[in-house]
Amino acid sequence: GDSVTQMEGPVTLSEEAFLTINCTYTATGYPSLFWYVQYPGEGLQLLLKATKADDKGSNKGFEATYRKETTSFHLEKGSVQVSDSAVYFCAPAAGGTSYGKLTFGQGTILTVHP
Amino acid sequence: GAGVSQTPSNKVTEKGKYVELRCDPISGHTALYWYRQSLGQGPEFLIYFQGTGAADDSGLPNDRFFAVRPEGSVSTLKIQRTERGDSAVYLCASSLEGGPNTEAFFGQGTRLTVV
Repeated sequence: GDSVTQMEGPVTLSEEAFLTINCTYTATGYPSLFWYVQYPGEGLQLLLKATKADDKGSNKGFEATYRKETTSFHLEKGSVQVSDSAVYFCAPAAGGTSYGKLTFGQGTILTVHP
Repeated sequence: GAGVSQTPSNKVTEKGKYVELRCDPISGHTALYWYRQSLGQGPEFLIYFQGTGAADDSGLPNDRFFAVRPEGSVSTLKIQRTERGDSAVYLCASSLEGGPNTEAFFGQGTRLTVV
């Protein structure tokens, strides 16, 4: 089945630092790739997505590029803010009979200090 | 409502009891997913509905777990003879049509504690 390996956390950064959270996956075919975020006290919400190879998803200053050759979808942000403190999940979405089923990584806790 | 609603938000039950967890998806969303999230882990897939039918129930851990969606809207996850290992946050998500390119919208979850 599909699986995801995410960079282990927790990650602690100072405000305006550069962020990378690594994500690699194994999946059948070419899944769509998602990053979901869970802010403290809130539900999971979509951060960004990419649906085919070499696509770049972006939102709120975050970016991730679908790399088919390395089966990776690393999350980056050039300058983090305290409000970015959250848990980040990488997730490919299955096709076929498991239509849209997400396989989540274990999550990476990010804490940003002023 | 505007988002996916799950009730109750918290449920404490005794080992061996039966529980029902409810999910109200976004109106018009035909696809509905249940996930389970244990502490410190990512959500794990349980079951996927397209309309009224369970298209994929491969994630249900055993026959104590069952889910229904009789009218293609509200879904109920049912757990019989609960065990302490069932303690987790149960998440529901819906999407407009399902499919790998469609955003799934998540509810806040039901935190189930089996004592």
